[in-house]
Amino acid sequence: KAGVTQTPRYLIKTRGQQVTLSCSPISGHRSVSWYQQTPGQGLQFLFEYFSETQRNKGNFPGRFSGRQFSNSRSEMNVSTLELGDSALYLCASSLGQVPDTQYFGPGTRLTVL
Amino acid sequence: QKEVEQNSGPLSVPEGAIASLNCTYSDRGSQSFFWYRQYSGKSPELIMSIYSNGDKEDGRFTAQLNKASQYVSLLIRDSQPSDSATYLCAVNQAGTALIFGKGTTLSVSS
Repeated sequence: KAGVTQTPRYLIKTRGQQVTLSCSPISGHRSVSWYQQTPGQGLQFLFEYFSETQRNKGNFPGRFSGRQFSNSRSEMNVSTLELGDSALYLCASSLGQVPDTQYFGPGTRLTVL
Repeated sequence: QKEVEQNSGPLSVPEGAIASLNCTYSDRGSQSFFWYRQYSGKSPELIMSIYSNGDKEDGRFTAQLNKASQYVSLLIRDSQPSDSATYLCAVNQAGTALIFGKGTTLSVSS
């Protein structure tokens, strides 16, 4: 069974731009969670989607948004990028809602210049 | 603010020794506890999950949970150089998000 896939793997943007990241969960998984990982803050929860509904949202500004489609694929969008948004963005899927075991994708490395 | 605390390390142990990784959490209502391993440049992978007080063993790994003390630990027996990684503790209360600690870096020397 294929694992969680994330695209793109690397991205370079400039301040003020917006970006959309994509996550395809493991086949059959209905829950997708997004995390931001930085050396200083570690893994921080962004949001969780289950069956197209946002179940939980982390403490991030409204510039961060997401959605989930009927096939469970998910996208997250960051608008008006700031230098501090440079991070590894990880997507994790699980069969059911958290705390079902989460399987992480390889991540998208975003660099904001 | 729910918090999960871990010593950042690095924790250095010789090959064959027992590595002990510790984690404390602030939310007394937490119900599910996980240990993830993350190699440098890779994404986290689940090692163990534990839900009730006591010990849970899986191969060389033992997770220990003490809800009264709000403490969860991971023991790695017969540590190998391939165990060198960052270990992330994660805690969850039903219906809420998974909260991760910042991780402990383990270095196993041969």
